[in-house]
Amino acid sequence: SAVISQKPSRDICQRGTSLTIQCQVDSQVTMMFWYRQQPGQSLTLIATANQGSEATYESGFVIDKFPISRPNLTFSTLTVSNMSPEDSSIYLCSALTGGDEKLFFGSGTQLSVL
Amino acid sequence: AQTVTQSQPEMSVQEAETVTLSCTYDTSESDYYLFWYKQPPSRQMILVIRQEAYKQQNATENRFSVNFQKAAKSFSLKISDSQLGDAAMYFCAYRGSSNTGKLIFGQGTTLQVKP
Repeated sequence: SAVISQKPSRDICQRGTSLTIQCQVDSQVTMMFWYRQQPGQSLTLIATANQGSEATYESGFVIDKFPISRPNLTFSTLTVSNMSPEDSSIYLCSALTGGDEKLFFGSGTQLSVL
Repeated sequence: AQTVTQSQPEMSVQEAETVTLSCTYDTSESDYYLFWYKQPPSRQMILVIRQEAYKQQNATENRFSVNFQKAAKSFSLKISDSQLGDAAMYFCAYRGSSNTGKLIFGQGTTLQVKP
């Protein structure tokens, strides 16, 4: 298994600002991902964080809005840029472990944009 | 495109009783993985159980078991001897074998456990 630490756990931000969310895994993992969970909704994949290269974004998500870094095998960041109230969501980091192919999640970041 | 459907927005069960949460999915792939995740109010997504499509045997984890019907594309979760701590949102999820990390989630089922 993998233990994923995510911070901040919650934040309240002003419109037009940016927030960077950090994700740290306690072991090397094969893949890392960022999901969004809008209020009362299910989870949607934002992007795959690729180690040492640009992230792979899903349809509807762009790098200018959600820049992602993954400098090594255990750490990734997601930035929510130029925020608007529509960005108010829970953002979850996840990691895929090798071998047993299980996807684990961090505890999420509750973001509220005023 | 693959889809996952959970048709029960809310379910309730009496403590110590058994409850079954339904999930159906649609895919043209023959090899894939199915999951049930639990999300309590803490927001933490907790992996409950995993099923590989190539395995005919239903997965079991303690009080949690699945009924996997590949032909019917059905993947239900049975919780036996329900406990108050089982109260949470439950998500069914699909992952194709060729799409190594992307999970497609259902809409979720909120489970209430009554004492």
